[in-house]
Amino acid sequence: DIVMTQSPDSLAVSLGERVTINCKSSQSILYSSNNKNYLTWFQQKPGQPPKLLIYWASTREFGVPDRFSGSGSGTDFTLTISSLQAEDVAVYYCQQFYSIPLTFGGGTKVEIK
Amino acid sequence: EVQLVESGGGLVQPGGSLRLSCAASGFTFSSHWMFWVRQAPGKGLVWVARINGDGSFTTYADSVKGRFTISRDNAKNTLYLQMSSLRVEDTAVYYCTRGVLITTGGWFDPWGQGTLVTVSS
Repeated sequence: DIVMTQSPDSLAVSLGERVTINCKSSQSILYSSNNKNYLTWFQQKPGQPPKLLIYWASTREFGVPDRFSGSGSGTDFTLTISSLQAEDVAVYYCQQFYSIPLTFGGGTKVEIK
Repeated sequence: EVQLVESGGGLVQPGGSLRLSCAASGFTFSSHWMFWVRQAPGKGLVWVARINGDGSFTTYADSVKGRFTISRDNAKNTLYLQMSSLRVEDTAVYYCTRGVLITTGGWFDPWGQGTLVTVSS
């Protein structure tokens, strides 16, 4: 199984500040035949289902604000919120769809300082 | 608008059974892989099962293999999860979600609102 490890578990950031969330996979999730990283990022607000933010590690879903960006390749990935807004308070999850079983990171809770 | 609506959750005793349903609309249901993902109270997301578009291929997490069965009725645009031999640790909100890529499933979008299953005596 591919283990997804997120860090930190939680963080508190002032409005307008940058947020960086890390996700590390226990093996590479870069598929050599198409040079794509099989990683997604989701945002989950309290009482709501997860919402897709990023797929292929760095492609922003339609309608997601451009302050959200994804980067990384192979085993190390990052979700960045360039300027934290109040509505970004949520738990963020990375997930690999490279192999079965599909696995998620443990989540990173983002709060306002 | 693509929509997924789960139903069928509730309170069940350990060892009992329950069937969840997920009604899909707004897309060609039979073309897409479908998935169940669960979330225990206050915990993270865990993939449970998947099924391909015509229902001929299924895969399960080890934790539910032999106890849960995923199926679909493409004429009714509905996904199911039959759960048996339920355990306390199966208590969770169960989400159905669609695989975006036709060929391999890919990433999940959208997600239903979820249905809560509570296993307790």
